[in-house]
Amino acid sequence: QVQLVQSGAEVKKPGASVKVSCKASGYTFTSYDINWVRQATGQGLEWMGWMNPNNGNTDYAQKFQGRVTITRDTSINTAYMELSSLRSEDTAVYYCARNHGSGSTDFDYWGQGTLVTVSS
Amino acid sequence: DIQMTQSPSSLSASVGDRVTITCRASQSIGTYLNWYLQKPGKAPKLLIYAASRLQSGVPSRFSGSGSGTDFTLTISSLQPEDFATYFCQQSYSIPLTFGGGAKVEIK
Repeated sequence: QVQLVQSGAEVKKPGASVKVSCKASGYTFTSYDINWVRQATGQGLEWMGWMNPNNGNTDYAQKFQGRVTITRDTSINTAYMELSSLRSEDTAVYYCARNHGSGSTDFDYWGQGTLVTVSS
Repeated sequence: DIQMTQSPSSLSASVGDRVTITCRASQSIGTYLNWYLQKPGKAPKLLIYAASRLQSGVPSRFSGSGSGTDFTLTISSLQPEDFATYFCQQSYSIPLTFGGGAKVEIK
């Protein structure tokens, strides 16, 4: 069965960087785009960007341009999201999510989420 | 960016009730509209994609309709497991954006 398993919770200081991993199983990793979505406590969902695991092409929300980098390691079917220059407002649960199909941008499988806390 | 506005932001309903949640886009998005359910502490779950297509495994009591700027999610007979928060999402253009959510609570 399709699974996306994310790395564990992180606590970071303001100004630091965090790198969250998302390991895919149960399907061909390079065939479906991976997205990153975050959610602050009690708030809505915010799309950060996506990556084509086949060629590594990415696209990011303007809000995060210059601070976020999405990469992958196809040898271990894992995607990564790195966010730099962290501030308290970046405290949130970060999800990876798979595109439903080729050319689609709805998300049919999600990771369990990774809580990133930014605090001095 | 396309703004997505959901209403109501919360509602109280009873098991067996018919529930309708609306989502309005700030510009026309065709049928590039998706609906998710989220329970506390869990990741969202895809219910409806392309405005009206039921995701595999989702019960038929869920349905979606609409096109352009106005969309509706309907639960024909609310079940105990449906008490959750529902989000719409436009997949028409980057950045992909979500509505603020509609929390369905037990009356």
